[in-house]
Amino acid sequence: ETGVTQSPTHLIKTRGQQVTLRCSSQSGHNTVSWYQQALGQGPQFIFQYYREEENGRGNFPPRFSGLQFPNYSSELNVNALELDDSALYLCASSLETAKYEQYFGPGTRLTVT
Amino acid sequence: RKEVEQDPGPFNVPEGATVAFNCTYSNSASQSFFWYRQDCRKEPKLLMSVYSSGNEDGRFTAQLNRASQYISLLIRDSKLSDSATYLCVVSAPSGNTPLVFGKGTRLSVIA
Repeated sequence: ETGVTQSPTHLIKTRGQQVTLRCSSQSGHNTVSWYQQALGQGPQFIFQYYREEENGRGNFPPRFSGLQFPNYSSELNVNALELDDSALYLCASSLETAKYEQYFGPGTRLTVT
Repeated sequence: RKEVEQDPGPFNVPEGATVAFNCTYSNSASQSFFWYRQDCRKEPKLLMSVYSSGNEDGRFTAQLNRASQYISLLIRDSKLSDSATYLCVVSAPSGNTPLVFGKGTRLSVIA
């Protein structure tokens, strides 16, 4: 077990709604990255948080936003949901000094109808 | 050209077989390379890092060819439990994206 937890496990939303996904990082890890994995694709980097600030962002629109809290846990918020947002959302934690060694949580499967 | 390219497979092999996957990457400045394993409907898990000199972990051997910008993973004596998707992962030295994942190669080991 990596110690990274995510909630909820599954979620169904309708187009136009907003969603918040949550992640608790592995103990001692101060960096959290979020990925979107569509069916049949590899994970796509959304953004990374370190010291409660966004520390890098992939090619995702502003309606994808996030937060990191003092205990290093994190949230991913998606506004104005679109059908193409249906995917597995993965959170990964790491140390800033070893940011490539990422440990993934089990993911949240989001379905947008 | 995609940043990280892999043959999606599936590779269907009998137990005990040796199977090899290749992956190519486009950014010659990439410095770190990994293979992750992802079981169906589960999260990716780090299988092994890939070093310039090549490295081995039990039945798994990873190789890196910087000149040709490709990475390989060799699995010897395949087990049923090796059935999974294998993701090739490359660091992205420019910009703020820490890791770039390939789409994965699917392996099915058959009894």
